[in-house]
Amino acid sequence: EAGVTQFPSHSVIEKGQTVTLRCDPISGHDNLYWYRRVMGKEIKFLLHFVKESKQDESGMPNNRFLAERTGGTYSTLKVQPAELEDSGVYFCASSQDLPGPGTQYFGPGTRLLVL
Amino acid sequence: QKEVEQNSGPLSVPEGAIASLNCTYSDRGSQSFFWYRQYSGKSPELIMSIYSNGDKEDGRFTAQLNKASQYVSLLIRDSQPSDSATYLCAASNTGGFKTIFGAGTRLFVKA
Repeated sequence: EAGVTQFPSHSVIEKGQTVTLRCDPISGHDNLYWYRRVMGKEIKFLLHFVKESKQDESGMPNNRFLAERTGGTYSTLKVQPAELEDSGVYFCASSQDLPGPGTQYFGPGTRLLVL
Repeated sequence: QKEVEQNSGPLSVPEGAIASLNCTYSDRGSQSFFWYRQYSGKSPELIMSIYSNGDKEDGRFTAQLNKASQYVSLLIRDSQPSDSATYLCAASNTGGFKTIFGAGTRLFVKA
């Protein structure tokens, strides 16, 4: 069974540009999460999808970040326009539909550098 | 105050020893607790989850939870060099899916 995949693995962009990150969860996992880790800091929750619905987006930093999960399969996280402080590693995770977060399986992450 | 706090380390133990990792949390509503292992440049991997007070053992790993003290720990017995990694403590509310992570403790196991 394939794990959580993320694309791209690395992205280097200039301030003001747009970047779109993609996450493909494990097949059958209704729950999909986005997290971010900036250098030297802890992993921070961004948002949680159940199928195509956003259940909790309290961790989204500001309205420059837009997450979608059309059709309840893969998800995208778009940053527009990107700022220097958006640099970090963006992780996606997925879990089965169980009470509570269950076992979250993390993807390899996308390393974003904004110059 | 951080919601989940861990000593950043590094914690260094000799091979074969017991490594003890500690974590405290501030939200008394937290009900589910997790320990993740993260190797350098890799993604976090869940190694233990605990929901009730007391100890939970899985192989060489034992998680301990004390909700009254808002304290979670992870013991690694017979530590191996391959255990060298950053260990992340995390917590979430019952029925909630928002998981709060600590900054992690770096563990080095010396051969």
